[in-house]
Amino acid sequence: EVQLLESGGGLVQPGESLRLSCAASGFIFSTYTMTWVRQAPGKGLQWVSTITGSGGNTYYADSVKGRFTISRDNSENKLYLQMNSLRAEDTALYYCAKYGEPGTFYYHKWGQGALVTVSS
Amino acid sequence: DIVMTQSPDSLAVSLGERATINCKSSQSVLRSSNNKNSLAWYQQKPGQPPKLLIYWASTRESGVPDRFSGSGSGTDFTLTISSLQAEDVAFYYCHQHYGTPHTFGQGTKLEIK
Repeated sequence: EVQLLESGGGLVQPGESLRLSCAASGFIFSTYTMTWVRQAPGKGLQWVSTITGSGGNTYYADSVKGRFTISRDNSENKLYLQMNSLRAEDTALYYCAKYGEPGTFYYHKWGQGALVTVSS
Repeated sequence: DIVMTQSPDSLAVSLGERATINCKSSQSVLRSSNNKNSLAWYQQKPGQPPKLLIYWASTRESGVPDRFSGSGSGTDFTLTISSLQAEDVAFYYCHQHYGTPHTFGQGTKLEIK
């Protein structure tokens, strides 16, 4: 069974940093593209960042480009999101999600999410 | 960016009746490489992460009840629940994965009338 478990969320002040982790199990992690999607309180879904299975290609939403870095450790089956220079508008529940089979681009399975709150 | 617009924003349907949610993209999401529409539907219940219902616009994910169906092509898509059950109360989102950035519709809240 595919499982994705996020951790590392918390309350930080504007300008501070936070690193989210997503522990994956139940599938061959290195084979799958992974992504981060966030949801601000009471709002809809917003794509944040994507990384291919090898880690060789990464993609970012304009709103986080230059501040967030996605990475993965295929030996540990973990996905990461390093978030720097955090802003109030980054406050959200951050989900990691697994793509479907290679060659597909929809989000097949989602974790439960990690809450990030940016406030002074 | 491809803008996804869902309608309606909220919908109240009687148990056993049909529910229809529409999604329109600002440009075609038909992928020429496989002649499939890069459009997915997700269901999100309160306090839960989104759950994949439909991909490639009309392919039902394994385990999803057959009362859920997706249709459409190009820029216009529909999610239909043929006979609404109480457990279908949720938000529903369409998602285009044709171009980067991937984008979502604003969501449709489905309730029981």
